Amino acid sequence: DIVLTQSPASLGVSLGQRATISCRASKSVSTSGYSYMHWYQQKPGQPPKLLIYLASNLESGVPARFSGSGSGTDFTLNIHPVEEEDAATYYCQHSRELPPLTFGAGTKLELK
Amino acid sequence: EVLLQQSGAELLKPRASVKLSCTASDFNIKDTYIHWVRQRPAQGLEWIGRIDPANDNTEYDPNFQGKATITSDTSSNTAYLQLNSLTSEDTAVYYCARSGTVGYFDYWGQGTTLTVSS
Repeated sequence: DIVLTQSPASLGVSLGQRATISCRASKSVSTSGYSYMHWYQQKPGQPPKLLIYLASNLESGVPARFSGSGSGTDFTLNIHPVEEEDAATYYCQHSRELPPLTFGAGTKLELK
Repeated sequence: EVLLQQSGAELLKPRASVKLSCTASDFNIKDTYIHWVRQRPAQGLEWIGRIDPANDNTEYDPNFQGKATITSDTSSNTAYLQLNSLTSEDTAVYYCARSGTVGYFDYWGQGTTLTVSS
């Protein structure tokens, strides 16, 4: 199984500042020029929402302040500038091989 | 509008079984994979498994083998998750979600809350 380790577990950021969330995979999730890493946002009582797919592609309708980067085993989700509505939990997920698909444990973003 | 509409909340006793549904609108489930994901209270997301409704092929996380069975009915554009021998550990919100071959989940159902309690 590919284990995804997210850090930090929680993060406090002031409005307008940058939030950076990391996701490290236990083995490479990149192959053939693609990185099979995706990012989601989840607010309480709601299903997750896709933000970024294939490491750096912004899902339609997602604000451009969200961006993703990385390859191989190390990936990053950046949010800049952070807005009030960005308070949520963020998850990474790989689809390099299955079963199983796995998610990171989540990073809770709070606004200072 | 693409929608995945899930069945309503369930309250069941230990040792019971349950079958949750996920009905798709505005797309044909035969063109996608349908996945099920569990989220226990205040916990993270766990992938249970997926079905390819075009051929009924299924794959599961080994941790759910024997606990979960995923099926589909293309005539009603619906996928199902059956859970057996329920215990309090199965208390969770269960989501269905769709993906293509790349494997990211672009649409999710609203979730079904399952509570197992005597």
